[in-house]
Amino acid sequence: GAVVSQHPSWVICKSGTSVKIECRSLDFQATTMFWYRQFPKQSLMLMATSNEGSKATYEQGVEKDKFLINHASLTLSTLTVTSAHPEDSSFYICSARDGLVNTGELFFGEGSRLTVL
Amino acid sequence: AQTVTQSQPEMSVQEAETVTLSCTYDTSESDYYLFWYKQPPSRQMILVIRQEAYKQQNATENRFSVNFQKAAKSFSLKISDSQLGDAAMYFCAYRVNTDKLIFGTGTRLQVFP
Repeated sequence: GAVVSQHPSWVICKSGTSVKIECRSLDFQATTMFWYRQFPKQSLMLMATSNEGSKATYEQGVEKDKFLINHASLTLSTLTVTSAHPEDSSFYICSARDGLVNTGELFFGEGSRLTVL
Repeated sequence: AQTVTQSQPEMSVQEAETVTLSCTYDTSESDYYLFWYKQPPSRQMILVIRQEAYKQQNATENRFSVNFQKAAKSFSLKISDSQLGDAAMYFCAYRVNTDKLIFGTGTRLQVFP
């Protein structure tokens, strides 16, 4: 199946710094990617929909200035957590759909664990 | 608004036995997709099975099958001949044409030898 890769898989940063997480579709083109956040022992909560070449669409309650999303190419979307604080510590997961195949399936990255000290 | 409900936070099953995980959803749409995803300790989301709402036939993938009741908005997952490797979190998910996946709260499945 299609492969989605996230980098880094885990990152530790100091409070106040910014962290960038990359999501790449390795063998297909993804016009749309999705960013989720998952707290321990909880479900995945959709943060935003990332569209190639246009602005991301954020879910209600998600601060767009806090979580910057850029989808500059058909294979790469980035999530930047700006001025990170300990409450931003979480597991972030991206997913993507193969734009050429309409099976309804979304492919997920391995996730990125962010810890803010 | 669409919602997905999994009423069983935890389930357990003996190896080789059968277990059913429940899922209900709420929507006003007529055309949509339903999924079951597995999330093992590695946290990688793995698609288990998919069901298109317009199909009346229940989807089956080897030991995994669903009972899709569209009128009742119910979408349960049956795992037959359970294996130790089936132990994981299972998430039911709903998707409309916008590609947005809405997940349920999850069911933790334990498999005992």
